[in-house]
Amino acid sequence: AQTVTQSQPEMSVQEAETVTLSCTYDTSENNYYLFWYKQPPSRQMILVIRQEAYKQQNATENRFSVNFQKAAKSFSLKISDSQLGDTAMYFCAFNAYGGSQGNLIFGKGTKLSVKP
Amino acid sequence: DTAVSQTPKYLVTQMGNDKSIKCEQNLGHDTMYWYKQDSKKFLKIMFSYNNKELIINETVPNRFSPKSPDKAHLNLHINSLELGDSAVYFCASSPGTSGFQETQYFGPGTRLLVL
Repeated sequence: AQTVTQSQPEMSVQEAETVTLSCTYDTSENNYYLFWYKQPPSRQMILVIRQEAYKQQNATENRFSVNFQKAAKSFSLKISDSQLGDTAMYFCAFNAYGGSQGNLIFGKGTKLSVKP
Repeated sequence: DTAVSQTPKYLVTQMGNDKSIKCEQNLGHDTMYWYKQDSKKFLKIMFSYNNKELIINETVPNRFSPKSPDKAHLNLHINSLELGDSAVYFCASSPGTSGFQETQYFGPGTRLLVL
């Protein structure tokens, strides 16, 4: 079975500092994609960043970057220069070829609070 | 313009009723999805659908049925609502039919409360 584990239910960080959210996954597939989604209090699910498993280079998107370790099946999200608007639930998600029509498998989320 | 929209945003109803949640996407995407987010914020796929194939998560009760009048819409019908159906339901869409390599775009969610 394919699973995604986020081991940090809650985290907090001071504004302007850097925080890293962890995610591990389990799959026997070799071809897959990984995503981080953000869910602020508004409830909207917003894509933060995505990573193709065949790419060795870590994805970056402005203040957001990932540390993708394929052998370790690890996909952490680093948020630099944290802003109050980064306060949200963050979900790691996985999508593999050969899975159910590309359905995303989500971790249980990490609640991030950015403090002023 | 909203890319993926859902109506209603909130739905409060009595146990045993039948209700529908509508989803529309104006992105021209080929595949649409329904996800359920429970009270602990856990998100789980319910259905995925393109114009060729409906895939149902085997854990979804048959009281839930997706209906697609056209490519831009995937509505969720729920019969004989139960207390455990209370959750937030998200619609999503992705561009093509290959699924796994595509980013999914989510609607704002519908909070369903069954009393």
